[in-house]
Amino acid sequence: GENVEQHPSTLSVQEGDSAVIKCTYSDSASNYFPWYKQELGKRPQLIIDIRSNVGEKKDQRIAVTLNKTAKHFSLHITETQPEDSAVYFCAASRSFQKLVFGTGTRLLVSP
Amino acid sequence: NAGVTQTPKFQVLKTGQSMTLQCAQDMNHEYMSWYRQDPGMGLRLIHYSVGAGITDQGEVPNGYNVSRSTTEDFPLRLLSAAPSQTSVYFCASSGGQRKLFFGEGSRLTVL
Repeated sequence: GENVEQHPSTLSVQEGDSAVIKCTYSDSASNYFPWYKQELGKRPQLIIDIRSNVGEKKDQRIAVTLNKTAKHFSLHITETQPEDSAVYFCAASRSFQKLVFGTGTRLLVSP
Repeated sequence: NAGVTQTPKFQVLKTGQSMTLQCAQDMNHEYMSWYRQDPGMGLRLIHYSVGAGITDQGEVPNGYNVSRSTTEDFPLRLLSAAPSQTSVYFCASSGGQRKLFFGEGSRLTVL
């Protein structure tokens, strides 16, 4: 089955800096890669996703890149703000119905 | 439109007791699922359903039962609770556009 590794487990940045979170996956047949954000005590929420036929996707300050050959994908957040502080989870799967999540990255953005 | 509603929000059980976590959604989503979230382990899929009368196992199904008699409801049953089932449980649904809508979570403690 699929196995997803996520790094780093914690990331501290200054407001305005960029943040990068990386994930690797094991199943070469996986073709769907979402990222979820979970604020403290809240439910996870989808922030961006990418399919395997696309190498990069952007949404304002957030971007995701995918390298299928190396089986890794990354989340990039530019111009970080304190409200970006949260736990971010990557996931991979052949279908959104059976997502396998990474272990999460706690991002702290200091003013 | 309440989205995905989970009850109860908090529950304490003794080892061997049984209980049902309730999940209801009012978005007419065909897909529903249950995840558990443990510190340092991300979200792990327990069971999922792609429609009324159809259920399937996820990554960690042992000790849990589900049924889907209606589109709206997807209860998760613990027949004989164990301390290893202490966790935060999230119900999620999707309307086929891959985005998962999560409930607020149910925190279960098994003593």
